[in-house]
Amino acid sequence: AQSVTQPDIHITVSEGASLELRCNYSYGATPYLFWYVQSPGQGLQLLLKYFSGDTLVQGIKGFEAEFKRSQSSFNLRKPSVHWSDAAEYFCAVGLPNTGNQFYFGTGTSLTVIP
Amino acid sequence: NAGVTQTPKFRVLKTGQSMTLLCAQDMNHEYMYWYRQDPGMGLRLIHYSVGEGTTAKGEVPDGYNVSRLKKQNFLLGLESAAPSQTSVYFCASTRTGTGQPQHFGDGTRLSIL
Repeated sequence: AQSVTQPDIHITVSEGASLELRCNYSYGATPYLFWYVQSPGQGLQLLLKYFSGDTLVQGIKGFEAEFKRSQSSFNLRKPSVHWSDAAEYFCAVGLPNTGNQFYFGTGTSLTVIP
Repeated sequence: NAGVTQTPKFRVLKTGQSMTLLCAQDMNHEYMYWYRQDPGMGLRLIHYSVGEGTTAKGEVPDGYNVSRLKKQNFLLGLESAAPSQTSVYFCASTRTGTGQPQHFGDGTRLSIL
């Protein structure tokens, strides 16, 4: 069965520190991969996506993610975290031939210490 | 740009009552989705639609019904609300084709007493 795992439920970092959020997926073929961010009381906003090609993708707000086929991972990174980055982050897999259904991870909550 | 609009934003129901959540998108998207979000469980797909007049079950469809009579609207119904349906409900839409990013509404917070 397809699945998306975000092993870190909650992460705390200091403002200005680097950040890496982990995401692993289980799927037979290379899926379409996404990272979304959710601020409190808001819907999900797309940060970045990977379809094919260059395995390092750039997104909005200074985020990037690297696709590693051998590890079935798609980790999200940011070199220097800002207080406004505090939010919930979701990794998602888009499945072909399913009406573009997504499978979401359970999310990682990020706290930023001033 | 309105994008995806959900109505209402908050609602409190008593067990056994019925209600309909409305999702409207102005992006001419073919595909639409209803999710529920519960603590520690991420987003789970309830029902989805790949076009006007079509609907399909997702991961957790029991207790819900949907309709897509117009391309821009996707309705989620609870016929007899139960406390287990207390959740935050999100609607999303996307263009046709695999791998297109989903666009989300701001959610409806529903409490069943």
